[in-house]
Amino acid sequence: DTGVSQNPRHKITKRGQNVTFRCDPISEHNRLYWYRQTLGQGPEFLTYFQNEAQLEKSRLLSDRFSAERPKGSFSTLEIQRTEQGDSAMYLCASSRMGGFTEAFFGQGTRLTVV
Amino acid sequence: SQQGEEDPQALSIQEGENATMNCSYKTSINNLQWYRQNSGRGLVHLILIRSNEREKHSGRLRVTLDTSKKSSSLLITASRAADTASYFCATDATGNQFYFGTGTSLTVIP
Repeated sequence: DTGVSQNPRHKITKRGQNVTFRCDPISEHNRLYWYRQTLGQGPEFLTYFQNEAQLEKSRLLSDRFSAERPKGSFSTLEIQRTEQGDSAMYLCASSRMGGFTEAFFGQGTRLTVV
Repeated sequence: SQQGEEDPQALSIQEGENATMNCSYKTSINNLQWYRQNSGRGLVHLILIRSNEREKHSGRLRVTLDTSKKSSSLLITASRAADTASYFCATDATGNQFYFGTGTSLTVIP
């Protein structure tokens, strides 16, 4: 499968625990995006990478959130000291560079904080 | 903050009918895209229309863009039960990332 892959698909964690999600983009895509989506809402932009450089972060991305893309390939999104308000679907997308083109999304990781 | 707003929030039609949903946005854009999302799944790209384009077709989909009104519409012709999903517009203003609206939930009744 050559699409965007996200793992895990589901994660249940206790409040206060740390969680980490992984995204494997389409191999030739330079750009990688993270979005968060709550029930009944559209995806909200969190951050994006161009190769290994994190170029933009939303105000939604508090200090408890950190994202990396160490070799310009896969990316991880870590949430420290999770709160119930972090419960959401976390979506990853990738696209080619050179002017904005269509983005391909993964199936998402659904986080439930109990 | 979210750039686009879709209208209506929910739409229910009979199979075979056409479905039209609208998107309004606030600032100048480079392009606008429409995505579909089935319940609990990721988003699927449908069509991209650039700011210098007024209309685009892809199969049963027709998208229009009116930059003077800052609005776009998505028309799905001859709807099928499999078209049941949420539809989102996403606007690209900076060429770096794009903002989604709140979506239109479409139900196509067989």
